[in-house]
Amino acid sequence: DAGVIQSPRHEVTEMGQEVTLRCKPISGHNSLFWYRQTMMRGLELLIYFNNNVPIDDSGMPEDRFSAKMPNASFSTLKIQPSEPRDSAVYFCASSGTGASNSPLHFGNGTRLTVT
Amino acid sequence: AQSVTQLDSQVPVFEEAPVELRCNYSSSVSVYLFWYVQYPNQGLQLLLKYLSGSTLVKGINGFEAEFNKSQTSFHLRKPSVHISDTAEYFCAVSKGSQGNLIFGKGTKLSVKP
Repeated sequence: DAGVIQSPRHEVTEMGQEVTLRCKPISGHNSLFWYRQTMMRGLELLIYFNNNVPIDDSGMPEDRFSAKMPNASFSTLKIQPSEPRDSAVYFCASSGTGASNSPLHFGNGTRLTVT
Repeated sequence: AQSVTQLDSQVPVFEEAPVELRCNYSSSVSVYLFWYVQYPNQGLQLLLKYLSGSTLVKGINGFEAEFNKSQTSFHLRKPSVHISDTAEYFCAVSKGSQGNLIFGKGTKLSVKP
């Protein structure tokens, strides 16, 4: 299995531009998570899907952030417009069942820099 | 609400020495507990998990952790560390009945020769 695949690995953009991060979960996994990692705040859950349906988006910072999961094998996280404070590493993770005893499998992350 | 506290942000240790990385959690309900490791420029990888049963859990790379309900702790230990164990370690607790995890701030383990 190729694991969770994220693209791009690195993204550098100017303030005000739209940014789209992509994730392909492990085949057969029912749940998908987007996390953001910064030095100041550590790992924060942004949004969580189960069977392609958003379950908990309380961690999405503001309306500039949106996430979609059009099918079981693809998800996007979009920031429009981007701001320098959005600079972080964004991780996608998937799990088999979404149950609380099912471990998460992480991708290698997208390092976003907004100048 | 669940929360996780990792008491040490950095732990320097010499090669072949034992190490303990501390984790305390707070929760009003039964929880599942996890330790993850993050190597530079990579995502997190599962080290071990406690779901139920024996309170001593063994994971990969010679790590183990002990669940202590009375002290609400889940400390990670390894009797003899290697240079390759240098990484950041995250303790996590499950949130309710769903799979999203609450992570601690992480502990950076630095193993020196």
